[in-house]
Amino acid sequence: DTAVSQTPKYLVTQMGNDKSIKCEQNLGHDTMYWYKQDSKKFLKIMFSYNNKELIINETVPNRFSPKSPDKAHLNLHINSLELGDSAVYFCASSLGLQDSGANVLTFGAGSRLTVL
Amino acid sequence: GQNIDQPTEMTATEGAIVQINCTYQTSGFNGLFWYQQHAGEAPTFLSYNVLDGLEEKGRFSSFLSRSKGYSYLLLKELQMKDSASYLCAAMDSNYQLIWGAGTKLIIKP
Repeated sequence: DTAVSQTPKYLVTQMGNDKSIKCEQNLGHDTMYWYKQDSKKFLKIMFSYNNKELIINETVPNRFSPKSPDKAHLNLHINSLELGDSAVYFCASSLGLQDSGANVLTFGAGSRLTVL
Repeated sequence: GQNIDQPTEMTATEGAIVQINCTYQTSGFNGLFWYQQHAGEAPTFLSYNVLDGLEEKGRFSSFLSRSKGYSYLLLKELQMKDSASYLCAAMDSNYQLIWGAGTKLIIKP
């Protein structure tokens, strides 16, 4: 059983299109995240949700919209895709937010987005 | 500002020992994490330090000095499968993780 699963694994699309990436965790964790990893391998936090509530919303273009229907799911929708959006997007989850020891992240396998 | 510094790339020989250093500057501090990431895969958790000292876990150990803003990851008896990127991340007073760019470790036979 995959702990954090995200789909699709690969996504190739044209500039200007809209796409979604889905994420689900079966660990019973309260907190979920979206990270972007660019070609230089730098991990950058985009969003964090704790029990369906938005906690972290970094400086991300408003073309990116997260949605958490319940605490086990956090989806990412991207409008009007641009070349610079090409990256690997990782979903992750952790037990909680305030207890640093509970903040060990379990990552999904990643979704590689290529915008042409 | 907040930042993490770690070497971009290191090379070591199979069977040897390697130490990957990480220095951090954060607003407050709630712990230091190390993750391993193989090429094309997700990062996986290796270690967590919040108190000064050495934490040992099999072939891997992690050290923290809070007064110096410094940590290292020590890998012993290196194996080819240890070739990966090692990511250092510090947690600030708001429990947010500040990530380093990762150290790519190349193991040679």
